[in-house]
Amino acid sequence: GESVGLHLPTLSVQEGDNSIINCAYSNSASDYFIWYKQESGKGPQFIIDIRSNMDKRQGQRVTVLLNKTVKHLSLQIAATQPGDSAVYFCADSWGGGNKLTFGTGTQLKVEL
Amino acid sequence: DAGVTQSPTHLIKTRGQQVTLRCSPKSGHDTVSWYQQALGQGPQFIFQYYEEEERQRGNFPDRFSGHQFPNYSSELNVNALLLGDSALYLCASSLVTGGDEQFFGPGTRLTVL
Repeated sequence: GESVGLHLPTLSVQEGDNSIINCAYSNSASDYFIWYKQESGKGPQFIIDIRSNMDKRQGQRVTVLLNKTVKHLSLQIAATQPGDSAVYFCADSWGGGNKLTFGTGTQLKVEL
Repeated sequence: DAGVTQSPTHLIKTRGQQVTLRCSPKSGHDTVSWYQQALGQGPQFIFQYYEEEERQRGNFPDRFSGHQFPNYSSELNVNALLLGDSALYLCASSLVTGGDEQFFGPGTRLTVL
């Protein structure tokens, strides 16, 4: 079956720098994309989402970019803080069915 | 406004046993989805319940079954437990008319010995 995957398993950044986490998806029918943050021992926490009719969406310190031509999704975190250290997952769905397909995740480590 | 809650937090079972996990959705939500997350992996969709019926199902055997109650809470049952069933089981709730956003609970850590 088709799945969503991530390019880098681990990303280390300095506190205050910007972070970019990338994700490739393969399902051309996907019309909804979402980023989750998961801290150790906790459930995934919603960060930001985007629909396929948009290319960019901004939240507080976070921006999601969607490139449908190359089936690529990225999460940008501005001024990364120690509290941003976690595993980040991208996921997709299609047809409004709520079934999310997750990638394996990227571990973000923020160095002081 | 209560978020998604799950019980128990941790559970230890032996092979062949049966287990029941419970989930209460976020206030106002009517749809519950269950996911299995193995260590170091992303969550895998098990199934989804809406109006007390299974609406969608992922690639999981019939040993995995569920139920949704009139108050929208849900149970996940796993029979004949295998070592490979050890994982974090996540419940996510959403509103069927509210788009695709799902809110996750803290999960139940199941260990099968």
